[in-house]
Amino acid sequence: GQSLEQPSEVTAVEGAIVQINCTYQTSGFYGLSWYQQHDGGAPTFLSYNGLDGLEETGRFSSFLSRSDSYGYLLLQELQMKDSASYFCVLNQAGTALIFGKGTTLSVSS
Amino acid sequence: DAGVTQSPTHLIKTRGQQVTLRCSPKSGHDTVSWYQQALGQGPQFIFQYYEEEERQRGNFPDRFSGHQFPNYSSELNVNALLLGDSALYLCASSLDRIITDTQYFGPGTRLTVL
Repeated sequence: GQSLEQPSEVTAVEGAIVQINCTYQTSGFYGLSWYQQHDGGAPTFLSYNGLDGLEETGRFSSFLSRSDSYGYLLLQELQMKDSASYFCVLNQAGTALIFGKGTTLSVSS
Repeated sequence: DAGVTQSPTHLIKTRGQQVTLRCSPKSGHDTVSWYQQALGQGPQFIFQYYEEEERQRGNFPDRFSGHQFPNYSSELNVNALLLGDSALYLCASSLDRIITDTQYFGPGTRLTVL
């Protein structure tokens, strides 16, 4: 089967940088995605890594190392609106998404 | 351009009843996936529909069934409801020919089983 591990909670202050780590176990996958979900809202796509290395999208960056079964999401210049749950997600064959349990990020002023 | 829409937004049922949830995919998308999200957990994959057929299924019992219509919209049916079926049910759409296409999620239907 597949499994993903990520911290349950992270706290930070506005303007800071935070890194959310994710380790996974799977027999095969196309890539690793990150989704953001505000309380009661729909998950929204943030970033995708199909290959090893760093992907940068504005204030957000994501990294994947297949040899280490490890990835992370880096959020820079944190804003209050970044307070949300962040999910590490395996993109499986057939496009099913396998979600981790999520990391709740709380940003304070 | 409308995104993914779901109806109803909230639903309250009692144990043993049956429920039908509906989803309209984002314009141009042909693949619909359904997920169940329990409180404090990540979404869990239920099944995926493409070309009106169930193409892939997660670890959910046969009480969970679905349908996709020619216009790509979809329904999720749950029979013999259990208290544990209380959750947010999310629909996501994507474009099949792009195998790693981003999935776009709807706002979900909050189902409460009493």
